[in-house]
Amino acid sequence: DAGITQSPRHKVTETGTPVTLRCHQTENHRYMYWYRQDPGHGLRLIHYSYGVKDTDKGEVSDGYSVSRSKTEDFLLTLESATSSQTSVYFCAISVRAGGSTDTQYFGPGTRLTVL
Amino acid sequence: GDSVTQMEGPVTLSEEAFLTINCTYTATGYPSLFWYVQYPGEGLQLLLKATKADDKGSNKGFEATYRKETTSFHLEKGSVQVSDSAVYFCALPTGNQFYFGTGTSLTVIP
Repeated sequence: DAGITQSPRHKVTETGTPVTLRCHQTENHRYMYWYRQDPGHGLRLIHYSYGVKDTDKGEVSDGYSVSRSKTEDFLLTLESATSSQTSVYFCAISVRAGGSTDTQYFGPGTRLTVL
Repeated sequence: GDSVTQMEGPVTLSEEAFLTINCTYTATGYPSLFWYVQYPGEGLQLLLKATKADDKGSNKGFEATYRKETTSFHLEKGSVQVSDSAVYFCALPTGNQFYFGTGTSLTVIP
């Protein structure tokens, strides 16, 4: 158990509303990631963070923003939700345990439906 | 650029059948390679990994051998169980990111 929680676990919202998803970790790992999972696409990286206030874009960052004001929390915001953002969102952390190999560990996911 | 390609699913097997899920990669150098498993309604869990060529990762009866000659990391299990029904992802780390395959859904029927 990598100590990752996500909230909310389920959310239904309407097109055009702002939505914020929260990822919380208990072990102060430096790297955190947001992915979305859609049928036929596997996992696609939205944004990631390599420290407090340090973030970078992933493959599918359009329409999303992130913030990391504390090591333990990484927020994903949909400024104006669209139906194409209906998906399952996963947070992950990267852990380096010996040597130089990082391993990613995932939260339980948030299922977001945009009507 | 770096990428992984894994076999299309879904795969349906009878209990105790042999499983192979193919994964090939494109990368500079010799990165570590991973298999993750996702059970229904859950996040991805690390299943096994290999950190260098010719390494064999193993866990829960699953095995995968890192073969640089064929740039492959195929997942195998000799006798699957109903509880192995899940989606399996091959993954490749590159820089600060991971690239994941599209996933292979496995259903094991009694």
